[in-house]
Amino acid sequence: SQQGEEDPQALSIQEGENATMNCSYKTSINNLQWYRQNSGRGLVHLILIRSNEREKHSGRLRVTLDTSKKSSSLLITASRAADTASYFCATVGSAGGSYIPTFGRGTSLIVHP
Amino acid sequence: GAGVSQSPSNKVTEKGKDVELRCDPISGHTALYWYRQSLGQGLEFLIYFQGNSAPDKSGLPSDRFSAERTGGSVSTLTIQRTQQEDSAVYLCASSSGGAGGDEQYFGPGTRLTVT
Repeated sequence: SQQGEEDPQALSIQEGENATMNCSYKTSINNLQWYRQNSGRGLVHLILIRSNEREKHSGRLRVTLDTSKKSSSLLITASRAADTASYFCATVGSAGGSYIPTFGRGTSLIVHP
Repeated sequence: GAGVSQSPSNKVTEKGKDVELRCDPISGHTALYWYRQSLGQGLEFLIYFQGNSAPDKSGLPSDRFSAERTGGSVSTLTIQRTQQEDSAVYLCASSSGGAGGDEQYFGPGTRLTVT
């Protein structure tokens, strides 16, 4: 299975702190995507990073990709209570065929005000 | 513009009944996906449509599940003879279908409860 696995399963921090979540996967990928899910807005796409990229930024979000270690990390800087959500990584394999993102179980992030 | 919409938002049905879940993707998106999510779990892939190609049904858990996509737009997921283990949130997503996979836009989901 191409499924990514997020680590940690749960993370609790104070507002203003940084949050780091990791994703590991098993086989070659075409790209890796991070999504956020909360009760108010459902699943929302955050960042897509391609296999030939090593780092991408979007506002307070920073994603890195290490294809040699088959891992990615999502860093949220200066966290806010509104960042409380579950974060999922999704991998798209490079083995050909359908480009179907495969999701992990997610990291539950709680940011305390 | 309008996002992905799904209906109904909630569905309670008795075991053994059939249900139909609807998804309206973003206009112009050629790729459409169905997933389901059980409480506290990740997303389980069910089926994928891309343009006029034959759908990828590799994620359907049993022959009680089927889906169709009419005119390359609206999709319906049908579950026949529902079982309690079918209870979950069913999510639909669409994307522009770019080569290599691209970002997905998700609907709000249909929460299915089988009693």
